[in-house]
Amino acid sequence: DGGITQSPKYLFRKEGQNVTLSCEQNLNHDAMYWYRQDPGQGLRLIYYSQIVNDFQKGDIAEGYSVSREKKESFPLTVTSAQKNPTAFYLCASSIGSRGQEPQHFGDGTRLSIL
Amino acid sequence: GQQVMQIPQYQHVQEGEDFTTYCNSSTTLSNIQWYKQRPGGHPVFLIQLVKSGEVKKQKRLTFQFGEAKKNSSLHITATQTTDVGTYFCAGIDMRFGAGTRLTVKP
Repeated sequence: DGGITQSPKYLFRKEGQNVTLSCEQNLNHDAMYWYRQDPGQGLRLIYYSQIVNDFQKGDIAEGYSVSREKKESFPLTVTSAQKNPTAFYLCASSIGSRGQEPQHFGDGTRLSIL
Repeated sequence: GQQVMQIPQYQHVQEGEDFTTYCNSSTTLSNIQWYKQRPGGHPVFLIQLVKSGEVKKQKRLTFQFGEAKKNSSLHITATQTTDVGTYFCAGIDMRFGAGTRLTVKP
């Protein structure tokens, strides 16, 4: 089955540590996205990429970094500069341009601070 | 960036009652998408509206896009417990509303 795979499902970060969240898709989608969701809140866009080797900052990019070396992969690194990283992180992909096509979401990664 | 406001934040209904959530934008939207997120799950795409005044139906769900393309609504007729979840709208640039959390009492 085609879909989006996020790993790990749960992740714990120590103070001063960088952690990387994995997102892989086999839908052959060009665009990929990372969102952060806090309890009872909507989704806030962290980064998005519409093509390999290119990505743009979303509304809350500070303290995060991404790469898009392959079409199917869009890992997110939560750096030590992100002082409040505890949240639910969702990766998504879409066929076409941002906002023009439906987004397909992975099951998410829950990140907590130790 | 564009702000998309969604109301109400919460709605608790008795099973069989109707439910409506509204999405309002400060700017004209080229399109709007609706998603549903079940508790503990991830958002799932429901529908996309593109045309001014567009109305689309999916069984008990009715989606509307305003004439000015600045607002949209999702109406559920005769709610069921399976409708429980948070409903989000998303405008251009994929900016999501805060969502309306629906709970249904059997």
